[in-house]
Amino acid sequence: EVQLVESGGGLVKPGGSLRLSCAASGFTFSSYSMNWVRQAPGKGLEWVSSISSSSSYIYYADSVKGRFTISRDNAKNSLYLQMNSLRAEDTAVYYCAREGVAAAVPMDWGQGTLVTVSS
Amino acid sequence: QSALTQEASVSGTVGQKVTLSCTGNSNNIGSYAVGWYQQISHGAPKTVMFGNSLPSGIPDRFSGSKSGTTASLTISGLQPEDEADYYCSTWDYSLSAQVFGGGTKLTVL
Repeated sequence: EVQLVESGGGLVKPGGSLRLSCAASGFTFSSYSMNWVRQAPGKGLEWVSSISSSSSYIYYADSVKGRFTISRDNAKNSLYLQMNSLRAEDTAVYYCAREGVAAAVPMDWGQGTLVTVSS
Repeated sequence: QSALTQEASVSGTVGQKVTLSCTGNSNNIGSYAVGWYQQISHGAPKTVMFGNSLPSGIPDRFSGSKSGTTASLTISGLQPEDEADYYCSTWDYSLSAQVFGGGTKLTVL
């Protein structure tokens, strides 16, 4: 069974930093591209970033480009999101997701971790 | 403004067939497979359709299709537990980004 468990969320002041982690199990992590997707309170789903299986290809939403960094450690079956220069509008539940093979969209989802940016 | 356009709300009665639509363009839906996601009460999303495939555990009353730049999710035999928000998503090669629709709130009357 595919399991994705996010951690690292919490309350941070504007301008601060936070590092999210996603522990993956139940599949060959090194074979799949991975995503971060977020959802602000009362809003829809918003793609944040994607990373290919070997980290060769990395993409970011314009809203986070230059501030967030996605990375992975295939030896540890883990995905990360380093978030710097956080803003109030980054407040959201952040989901880790495994992409499917047939399409560059999420197939499996974690339960999410809440990031609140507030003074 | 989302890259993909979905109805804001759709309703149906138990047992009815409903179809949700997701409209994009040739850079996204016209070129790539589409995923559909169910979200109940802002819990974690669940994939209910992935391209033309029904994920394991999803009832076969869910089906998906695509015609040109519009994708559709059809629920045949609507059940009370289908009441949720539904989102579509695909890749957009002109944006080099994954894009989501704004979501459709499905109400089961």
